[in-house]
Amino acid sequence: RKEVEQDPGPFNVPEGATVAFNCTYSNSASQSFFWYRQDCRKEPKLLMSVYSSGNEDGRFTAQLNRASQYISLLIRDSKLSDSATYLCVVNRDSWGKLQFGAGTQVVVTP
Amino acid sequence: GAGVSQSPSNKVTEKGKDVELRCDPISGHTALYWYRQSLGQGLEFLIYFQGNSAPDKSGLPSDRFSAERTGGSVSTLTIQRTQQEDSAVYLCASSLTPGSEQYFGPGTRLTVT
Repeated sequence: RKEVEQDPGPFNVPEGATVAFNCTYSNSASQSFFWYRQDCRKEPKLLMSVYSSGNEDGRFTAQLNRASQYISLLIRDSKLSDSATYLCVVNRDSWGKLQFGAGTQVVVTP
Repeated sequence: GAGVSQSPSNKVTEKGKDVELRCDPISGHTALYWYRQSLGQGLEFLIYFQGNSAPDKSGLPSDRFSAERTGGSVSTLTIQRTQQEDSAVYLCASSLTPGSEQYFGPGTRLTVT
């Protein structure tokens, strides 16, 4: 079983709609959690950290469920520029060895 | 401010040659990480530096791979006797402290012919 699992998608989303997807992780000792976005042939860029109480950054909302070992990302009012692959990232070591999911592809259509 | 930089951006080499990839982390970041990403695949951890020390080299695929970091700043990843399966994008990331958010460089696309 992979340490971090994501639905690869693609999630095809009309512009202006809301899309949400989850990521599950296997190591209950995981300490910190992030969402990165990666555009085609580009490096991953940090989208947001995920905090225990859940957090919001503009149109993006992240949630953490430690009991069920998943994190989620919700994108409201989707823009064409939101089209990307969203990487779920889990840090299970104190020094920062990140475990990356394979990514969820989101395609926002006009 | 300046982000993580990597050079070269692209490298084409013949099988059996050695290559050196360079990473300049964000100034002041103490932790530095190397990953690689093969086409259509997820990121694979290679090695981590805290200062000039590498506490975790567990991700290096073989003894042909080595890395060093000097002055707590620049890092070099060296691949000896390159093989075609080494073809990938090699990404470097740095973070202010171990465990804090990591910021990635643009990567070096390595092609072994």
